[in-house]
Amino acid sequence: EDQVTQSPEALRLQEGESSSLNCSYTVSGLRGLFWYRQDPGKGPEFLFTLYSAGEEKEKERLKATLTKKESFLHITAPKPEDSATYLCAVRYGGSQGNLIFGKGTKLSVKP
Amino acid sequence: NAGVMQNPRHLVRRRGQEARLRCSPMKGHSHVYWYRQLPEEGLKFMVYLQKENIIDESGMPKERFSAEFPKEGPSILRIQQVVRGDSAAYFCASLGQMGEQYFGPGTRLTVT
Repeated sequence: EDQVTQSPEALRLQEGESSSLNCSYTVSGLRGLFWYRQDPGKGPEFLFTLYSAGEEKEKERLKATLTKKESFLHITAPKPEDSATYLCAVRYGGSQGNLIFGKGTKLSVKP
Repeated sequence: NAGVMQNPRHLVRRRGQEARLRCSPMKGHSHVYWYRQLPEEGLKFMVYLQKENIIDESGMPKERFSAEFPKEGPSILRIQQVVRGDSAAYFCASLGQMGEQYFGPGTRLTVT
């Protein structure tokens, strides 16, 4: 069964303490891996799309990377406002474009 | 540039009533996806629509749930005879040019 697994489920960091979130996937024919940020009570906010192994994307303190089996979201020197749930999703060859989501990593950054 | 709009933001229904959730995609977008998010669960795909056409409804429960996207007006997700298990956040997403999806703020349905 196609799956997307994110780890850890929750991560607590001190402000300025860099870390990485993991997303592993087991779909056939990856057609894109997507990272989203979701704040409580809101809809997911699009961050990045990655299409092929070796690709990297950056935005402010966030950097997303992709291998053949997993993706990492690196957070450099996080700030309290980076606290949110980060969702990973994949689009695969057998779908009509719908996304399969992981359960997310809840990030808390303490000042 | 207006984003994806959903209404109502919160909806309370008693068991057995009908719930109608509306979604207007981003301007110029004509493809809409609906997802459901249960507490402590990930977002789950329900249905994918184009104007006047259902492309993929493989994630939609077979009974009580239906969706449409008419030529004019918003997409509508309809849940008949709601049960407590239907309580969830329902999100729609608008399809961008590179395959990314832009989500609305969601409708939080509570069934009492």
